[in-house]
Amino acid sequence: ETGVTQTPRHLVMGMTNKKSLKCEQHLGHNAMYWYKQSAKKPLELMFVYNFKEQTENNSVPSRFSPECPNSSHLFLHLHTLQPEDSALYLCASSQDLRNTEAFFGQGTRLTVV
Amino acid sequence: RKEVEQDPGPFNVPEGATVAFNCTYSNSASQSFFWYRQDCRKEPKLLMSVYSSGNEDGRFTAQLNRASQYISLLIRDSKLSDSATYLCVVLAGGGNKLTFGTGTQLKVEL
Repeated sequence: ETGVTQTPRHLVMGMTNKKSLKCEQHLGHNAMYWYKQSAKKPLELMFVYNFKEQTENNSVPSRFSPECPNSSHLFLHLHTLQPEDSALYLCASSQDLRNTEAFFGQGTRLTVV
Repeated sequence: RKEVEQDPGPFNVPEGATVAFNCTYSNSASQSFFWYRQDCRKEPKLLMSVYSSGNEDGRFTAQLNRASQYISLLIRDSKLSDSATYLCVVLAGGGNKLTFGTGTQLKVEL
């Protein structure tokens, strides 16, 4: 069982919809991350949170809006997405920003139609 | 130049073969290096860290060459279960950004 759980596992949404991805970690970690994985491309870091504070926004379009209410939960709010946003969205956590092992959730496979 | 570059493969090898993957990185200030493994439709998981002196874990050996800015992973006596994508990962100086390569796909066949 992974210590990082993501829901939903699969999501199909229209370009005018609003949806949210949820991530929860049960590892007592302080840092959480959103990554995007597209076919034939490396994992792209989107956002970093440390102790609930956002420490990095990697030039992500505003149609992606993260929220971190506490160190265990991370959300990614989606609105007016484009078909090219279809990808696997992975959440990860680590003990802190200097602890280098990242534990990943199983991801949400998003399709924008 | 890509920050982390890997040959995407696929590498198709017979069971029992030895296979090696290389990875190059562009940031000479990079501090830490890792190999992650990602199975089809699964999340990446840490396989091993890469130390300057080289390190071995069973059938897996990782090496780092800072002068040439490359990392290698050697898998001996390949098993069918080794079939996966192997991701080269670099932690840049400054701490909080793991940079992933595109991954090298390995297929071990009977």
